[in-house]
Amino acid sequence: GQQVMQIPQYQHVQEGEDFTTYCNSSTTLSNIQWYKQRPGGHPVFLIQLVKSGEVKKQKRLTFQFGEAKKNSSLHITATQTTDVGTYFCAGGTKAAGNKLTFGGGTRVLVKP
Amino acid sequence: ETGVTQTPRHLVMGMTNKKSLKCEQHLGHNAMYWYKQSAKKPLELMFVYNFKEQTENNSVPSRFSPECPNSSHLFLHLHTLQPEDSALYLCASSQDKGTQPQHFGDGTRLSIL
Repeated sequence: GQQVMQIPQYQHVQEGEDFTTYCNSSTTLSNIQWYKQRPGGHPVFLIQLVKSGEVKKQKRLTFQFGEAKKNSSLHITATQTTDVGTYFCAGGTKAAGNKLTFGGGTRVLVKP
Repeated sequence: ETGVTQTPRHLVMGMTNKKSLKCEQHLGHNAMYWYKQSAKKPLELMFVYNFKEQTENNSVPSRFSPECPNSSHLFLHLHTLQPEDSALYLCASSQDKGTQPQHFGDGTRLSIL
């Protein structure tokens, strides 16, 4: 079945620094979504990418969908303490009726 | 802010008990989902309902029984659970079963004694 892998599992970041988390799928995706889950909270939708090579920005967050639509990345610049949480990617495939398969998440810890 | 409400927030039960988790969405969505979130596993999709019809059962043990009486309400009936079933159970909804973003509730933290 479809697998979605995220690396790294944990990301320790100094406040003010940049970092990137990566998402890789074993199959070609129809779309990829990113969610953020704060400690003790629930996943909250951030963004959806559907086109090959698509890049979208939300303030300090930049999301990219790979040309082959099998990988994605989330880059955060000038990390702040409010960025703490776990970032999940979730991919859908047409063959699976666009059912989302979630990656294991990248847990981000920020050092002030 | 959440248009998806889950009750109870916490539940402790013995292995022989029967309990139910409730989810209600106020977003006018047609698809609803149950997920299991454990400490060491990714979000696991359990069930999908679209227009009240179950469209996905992700090989979930029969001790978990979902019910969707209408597009706004979703239940998860629990009986004879095992300690490994202790987890956060999240409900989500989306406009339809396609590529639409999912909106999650706060979850029910379930502990099996």
